[in-house]
Amino acid sequence: GESVGLHLPTLSVQEGDNSIINCAYSNSASDYFIWYKQESGKGPQFIIDIRSNMDKRQGQRVTVLLNKTVKHLSLQIAATQPGDSAVYFCAAMGDTGRRALTFGSGTRLQVQP
Amino acid sequence: NAGVMQNPRHLVRRRGQEARLRCSPMKGHSHVYWYRQLPEEGLKFMVYLQKENIIDESGMPKERFSAEFPKEGPSILRIQQVVRGDSAAYFCASSPDRGRVNTEAFFGQGTRLTVV
Repeated sequence: GESVGLHLPTLSVQEGDNSIINCAYSNSASDYFIWYKQESGKGPQFIIDIRSNMDKRQGQRVTVLLNKTVKHLSLQIAATQPGDSAVYFCAAMGDTGRRALTFGSGTRLQVQP
Repeated sequence: NAGVMQNPRHLVRRRGQEARLRCSPMKGHSHVYWYRQLPEEGLKFMVYLQKENIIDESGMPKERFSAEFPKEGPSILRIQQVVRGDSAAYFCASSPDRGRVNTEAFFGQGTRLTVV
């Protein structure tokens, strides 16, 4: 089955620095990945996604990298801001046709002013 | 365009009572997903529905839990005879129908169920 895990439970960075949040997945059939940001008391907020036919995708201040060989993806946040403080989840979508997402356990990002 | 709407935001139930959680998907979205989140954990898939159909309920407990998405009205997640272990945040997500192309799901703010 699918499992998605994160390497670090908490990441503390200085404001202005770049942040890198990592995620590993187990199902090589996963073909779609999403990063979500969740602030306290709120629902997950879509940040960026990537399909398995890509290895990199960029958004505004965020970049997702996908390494299918080692089943690893990362979220890079440039010039981290206090408003970026939240829990970040990666999620994977498994077999084609099954649209349920499998979430990792989350990384808490703390931005120090 | 309103987002995914869930209500109530907070729900307190005594053990043995029933809990009903409602979810209205985004306008134009025909797919609804329910997830459960325990404190300090990731979301766990429960059930995926389209209008009047349950497509995938592989994450739903076999007893006491049921879900529906009627032709008219919101999707309902129903928990009968609640126990303390049901206390969690329940999130609903919706996505448009784009055939077999996977798309991101938009989440509601969740219902926080507390069983006392």
